[in-house]
Amino acid sequence: DSGVTQTPKHLITATGQRVTLRCSPRSGDLSVYWYQQSLDQGLQFLIQYYNGEERAKGNILERFSAQQFPDLHSELNLSSLELGDSALYFCASSDPLSSGANVLTFGAGSRLTVL
Amino acid sequence: AQTVTQSQPEMSVQEAETVTLSCTYDTSESDYYLFWYKQPPSRQMILVIRQEAYKQQNATENRFSVNFQKAAKSFSLKISDSQLGDAAMYFCAYLFGNEKLTFGTGTRLTIIP
Repeated sequence: DSGVTQTPKHLITATGQRVTLRCSPRSGDLSVYWYQQSLDQGLQFLIQYYNGEERAKGNILERFSAQQFPDLHSELNLSSLELGDSALYFCASSDPLSSGANVLTFGAGSRLTVL
Repeated sequence: AQTVTQSQPEMSVQEAETVTLSCTYDTSESDYYLFWYKQPPSRQMILVIRQEAYKQQNATENRFSVNFQKAAKSFSLKISDSQLGDAAMYFCAYLFGNEKLTFGTGTRLTIIP
């Protein structure tokens, strides 16, 4: 157990629908990152939050949005889903102040299947 | 923009032998971090080893070691005494400051019994 909790583990839905993925970071970590991994691909950075504020944005579609709440958990909202959105979505957390390196700890991922 | 390149989509090695996975990166920064992550069939991303660019000494974690060539922007991973449990996708990653972690496309490692 990495300490980063992601729910749900698996999700099957239909095109056009909306889903919310949830992430609870490791205790004490202030930064949350979202990554998307399509089948047999590398990890693509979506967005980063630090202590509730958006810190960096990657190739995140306009249909996707995210936020980090005061208790530091984060949610990734995916709307108007398309077949191509089927992927493994990872959340990672870190505490840049705890060490020299901003080491990311990953959750187990949420596998989204869009039919 | 920083890029990370893994030129070997697949590698295989006999059990108990040694294998080296390659990674190159592009950056204009001088102080950064490099990582190798392992992704077994469970899909969990597991940190294998990390290297700080300002350190000349190559990082080592048990059977895993790196060959960090800063001038060549090369960061290879050597796995000694390969074990069946080492079978996984291996991703090289680059980090500058508190920016996002940039991953390569991965190398799938197969261990031959």
